[in-house]
Amino acid sequence: GAVVSQHPSWVICKSGTSVKIECRSLDFQATTMFWYRQFPKQSLMLMATSNEGSKATYEQGVEKDKFLINHASLTLSTLTVTSAHPEDSSFYICSARQTSGVYNEQFFGPGTRLTVL
Amino acid sequence: QKEVEQDPGPLSVPEGAIVSLNCTYSNSAFQYFMWYRQYSRKGPELLMYTYSSGNKEDGRFTAQVDKSSKYISLFIRDSQPSDSATYLCAMSGGGSYIPTFGRGTSLIVHP
Repeated sequence: GAVVSQHPSWVICKSGTSVKIECRSLDFQATTMFWYRQFPKQSLMLMATSNEGSKATYEQGVEKDKFLINHASLTLSTLTVTSAHPEDSSFYICSARQTSGVYNEQFFGPGTRLTVL
Repeated sequence: QKEVEQDPGPLSVPEGAIVSLNCTYSNSAFQYFMWYRQYSRKGPELLMYTYSSGNKEDGRFTAQVDKSSKYISLFIRDSQPSDSATYLCAMSGGGSYIPTFGRGTSLIVHP
């Protein structure tokens, strides 16, 4: 099956710094990638939809200036958490959409655990 | 009321038991129904998907969709300790391919 990687798998940073998370589709081209946030024992919360070569579409309540998304190629999307604060600590998961057949399946990355001190 | 409701559990069963996991939903436009398995500190992986109503079987897993009741189920036969994970239901449709997820049910299969 299609593989999506994320880097780093975990990161600890000081409050006020920026953190960049990479999401790559390893063996397929992804015109659309998604970024989710997940709190412990909670479901996936969609943050934004990222289309290659265009601006990301953010969900209501997600600050686009705080969570910068860049989808510069068909295999790479990045999420930058700017001026991170402890409340930004969470599990961030990306997924990539593979367009094939009737059903457009999403493949998820392994996630990145962010801890802001 | 949330669009997708799922009991978070935890659901604890002995090895070999038949497990039933369920979700209800309110949006009648949903047509694609998925089940994902998520191990601790990992991303979700797709287990099964079903289009519209009916049953689908894959090995020990059976997915069932009842659109008239807006109710979907995942059955796991001969459950194993390795099945211990969080199971998330997801569904999409009505012109959007972006799935709406349930909060997940934590399953514990003990030897």
